[in-house]
Amino acid sequence: AQKITQTQPGMFVQEKEAVTLDCTYDTSDPSYGLFWYKQPSSGEMIFLIYQGSYDQQNATEGRYSLNFQKARKSANLVISASQLGDSAMYFCAMRGGFSGGYNKLIFGAGTRLAVHP
Amino acid sequence: DSGVTQTPKHLITATGQRVTLRCSPRSGDLSVYWYQQSLDQGLQFLIQYYNGEERAKGNILERFSAQQFPDLHSELNLSSLELGDSALYFCASSQAGFGELFFGEGSRLTVL
Repeated sequence: AQKITQTQPGMFVQEKEAVTLDCTYDTSDPSYGLFWYKQPSSGEMIFLIYQGSYDQQNATEGRYSLNFQKARKSANLVISASQLGDSAMYFCAMRGGFSGGYNKLIFGAGTRLAVHP
Repeated sequence: DSGVTQTPKHLITATGQRVTLRCSPRSGDLSVYWYQQSLDQGLQFLIQYYNGEERAKGNILERFSAQQFPDLHSELNLSSLELGDSALYFCASSQAGFGELFFGEGSRLTVL
């Protein structure tokens, strides 16, 4: 069975500093994708970044980067130069192959990030 | 704007009632997913449709049902509502099997 674990219920960071949000996963599929979503207080789910299991390089999208360590089954999100608008709930998610249920996303419990001025 | 449209945005109803949540996927997306987000359960996958056919089922109660119509919009029907059904219900869509899911803004259901 597939599983996503986010062990940090809450994190805080000073504005302009970098922060790492942890995510570990478990799957027996050789092919899978890892995603991070942001959910601000308004409730919508915003896609941030994607990493494929066969990608050789860590994904980056602007201030977001994904620290992918396949052997450790971890996919941590790094936010550089934090901004007040980064305060939100962050979810790590995984999409597996056919054994995972035809590409549904399964989510971790989320980490609430607070950015302090 | 993700391109996924959900209606209604807010819904308040009583226990025992039935409601229907509607979702229009992004143009060109064939897959529709329904998720439930409650405080104590996080984001739970309910069900997935692909081009009108059910493809995957998650923790969906028997009181809940869904379908995807020929024009690809989807409806989630919740019946015999209980207090514990109060949650944010998300619809998401994607192209066939790849890439990220695009989420609608959600339908917030409150059962009193």
